[in-house]
Amino acid sequence: DIQMTQSPPTLSASVGDRVTITCRASQIISNWLAWYQQKPGKAPNVLIYRASVLESGVPSRFSGSGSGTEFSLTISGLQPDDFATYFCQQYNSYPYTFGQGTKLEI
Amino acid sequence: QVQLVQSGAEVKKPGASVKVSCEASGFTFTSYDINWVRQATGQGLEWMGWMNPYTGGTGYAQKFRGRVSMTRNTSISTAYLELSDLRFEDTAVYYCARVASARSNWYYVWGQGTLVTVSS
Repeated sequence: DIQMTQSPPTLSASVGDRVTITCRASQIISNWLAWYQQKPGKAPNVLIYRASVLESGVPSRFSGSGSGTEFSLTISGLQPDDFATYFCQQYNSYPYTFGQGTKLEI
Repeated sequence: QVQLVQSGAEVKKPGASVKVSCEASGFTFTSYDINWVRQATGQGLEWMGWMNPYTGGTGYAQKFRGRVSMTRNTSISTAYLELSDLRFEDTAVYYCARVASARSNWYYVWGQGTLVTVSS
């Protein structure tokens, strides 16, 4: 199975900050990586797919980069609505696996 | 709009089985794989398996093989997850999710989740 190592587990930031979350795959996954945002009591929602493609309707302050085994999600100019938990997911091969999550808090 | 609506919360005893439904609307049910993912309280996301609603083909995570079954009823555009021999550690929210396309298996839409509680 491909292991996804996500860091940091918790990130403290303020409105207006720029933050970066990283995800490392234990094997090469090309760019078959997605980023999801999850708010308490809700299902996740996709932000980025294919490592760097912004899903329709997602604000442009979110961006993704990387390929192979190293990936990152950057949020530029944090907004109050962005404080949530973020997960990466590889969909290169089964079983699909997720990072452990990053809780972004004030 | 594209939507997945899941059945309501369940409370089961250890050793019992649970069957969660996931009704699709707003798209052609047989055209997109459905995956199931679970999340224990305060924990991360755990992939359980996939189902092709057109063929009925399935693939399960090794951890659940022998206890899990993913099926569908195409006449009512509904996918099902059945988990047997329930254990306390199966207490979690179970999500169904539709992939974006045949060649891009990120999750375009998720169900609202179904809480399954295993308690004696």
